Amino acid sequence: GAGVSQSPSNKVTEKGKDVELRCDPISGHTALYWYRQSLGQGLEFLIYFQGNSAPDKSGLPSDRFSAERTGGSVSTLTIQRTQQEDSAVYLCASSRTGGEWPQHFGDGTRLSIL
Amino acid sequence: SQQGEEDPQALSIQEGENATMNCSYKTSINNLQWYRQNSGRGLVHLILIRSNEREKHSGRLRVTLDTSKKSSSLLITASRAADTASYFCATDTGRRALTFGSGTRLQVQP
Repeated sequence: GAGVSQSPSNKVTEKGKDVELRCDPISGHTALYWYRQSLGQGLEFLIYFQGNSAPDKSGLPSDRFSAERTGGSVSTLTIQRTQQEDSAVYLCASSRTGGEWPQHFGDGTRLSIL
Repeated sequence: SQQGEEDPQALSIQEGENATMNCSYKTSINNLQWYRQNSGRGLVHLILIRSNEREKHSGRLRVTLDTSKKSSSLLITASRAADTASYFCATDTGRRALTFGSGTRLQVQP
């Protein structure tokens, strides 16, 4: 596809379960970002991958959150032992190389923790 | 606190009117970007203005930047019902990913 693809679009799970969220960036984009958006709020930065460099994990809220990017393409955000405060929309974006290149966003995964 | 803060939080206007949204930020920036988000969708990039630019136009959009006041404004002229969305400013400080504000929810009444 031409755009950033995220799956699943919706995820409902019980507190304490682990979840995996997937992001397929635009082909050729070396920069990939994960953000979290709570209802009616702005975006909270989580993690940033740029090429083969070590990712910037400074936005991850706790050690329950982790992310990886395999082969410089697909990325997975994992949340372990989910809590109710993890409920939010998780957005992924990619851009050519970061910097001034615009970020292209997927439609997000809406995560609900019961 | 947020690097970028939009004002107003919500704006309701009639079709054909102009809509102005403001963004204030705290630290030095390389550039400032505006994004739009339709309900339930991801963000879409609208326009980027560099720190050495004062004004930029794109179609019905006009963006200004005042680095001395650390503020930017987005003007949408002759608004349409399809412009109904949330609008976010995002600052690039060169450190890492963009820092987004909390957004302005624009409602354009037909």
